[in-house]
Amino acid sequence: QKEVEQDPGPLSVPEGAIVSLNCTYSNSAFQYFMWYRQYSRKGPELLMYTYSSGNKEDGRFTAQVDKSSKYISLFIRDSQPSDSATYLCAMSDPNAGKSTFGDGTTLTVKP
Amino acid sequence: DTGVSQDPRHKITKRGQNVTFRCDPISEHNRLYWYRQTLGQGPEFLTYFQNEAQLEKSRLLSDRFSAERPKGSFSTLEIQRTEQGDSAMYLCASHVGGKLFFGSGTQLSVL
Repeated sequence: QKEVEQDPGPLSVPEGAIVSLNCTYSNSAFQYFMWYRQYSRKGPELLMYTYSSGNKEDGRFTAQVDKSSKYISLFIRDSQPSDSATYLCAMSDPNAGKSTFGDGTTLTVKP
Repeated sequence: DTGVSQDPRHKITKRGQNVTFRCDPISEHNRLYWYRQTLGQGPEFLTYFQNEAQLEKSRLLSDRFSAERPKGSFSTLEIQRTEQGDSAMYLCASHVGGKLFFGSGTQLSVL
């Protein structure tokens, strides 16, 4: 079983919808939680970065971390066609060097 | 451009040949990571450097793979005796404060 599980989708929504993307994890040592956006044939781009539990908002994006449930979410409000991409969750243990990624959820926002 | 630069962007090779990829990280970032990504999967950790020291290699990394980072600047990833299963996107990332900044990757196709 993978340390980080992510629903692969694909997810298709109309423009303006609220999108919810989720990941679960098994390693209780994870303290840093990230969301990356990846367009086709490009490298991942950091969207949101949070430490431990709680919420963080940045424009139309909100990241939530629930460490008690080992569950993280990314919400996108007023989704736009330009949000169409693959979204990757990632997490890391501060005592380890690497980040561990989910397999990504592919999102399509239709005009 | 002050981002992470990878060269080449695409590489097509025949099985059994050796290939080498180069990564130029963001200059003030001391940590440099290599990840591999196949279609429909998230990035998989390969190895990372702190300055010129290689601190961790994935257990999944075969002896055919070697990475260097002379003088703590650019890094190279070499794959010897390539196999079809090596076909993937090879991603390099700079790291600072728990955040990864990826290049656009090198897409390797082994025929």
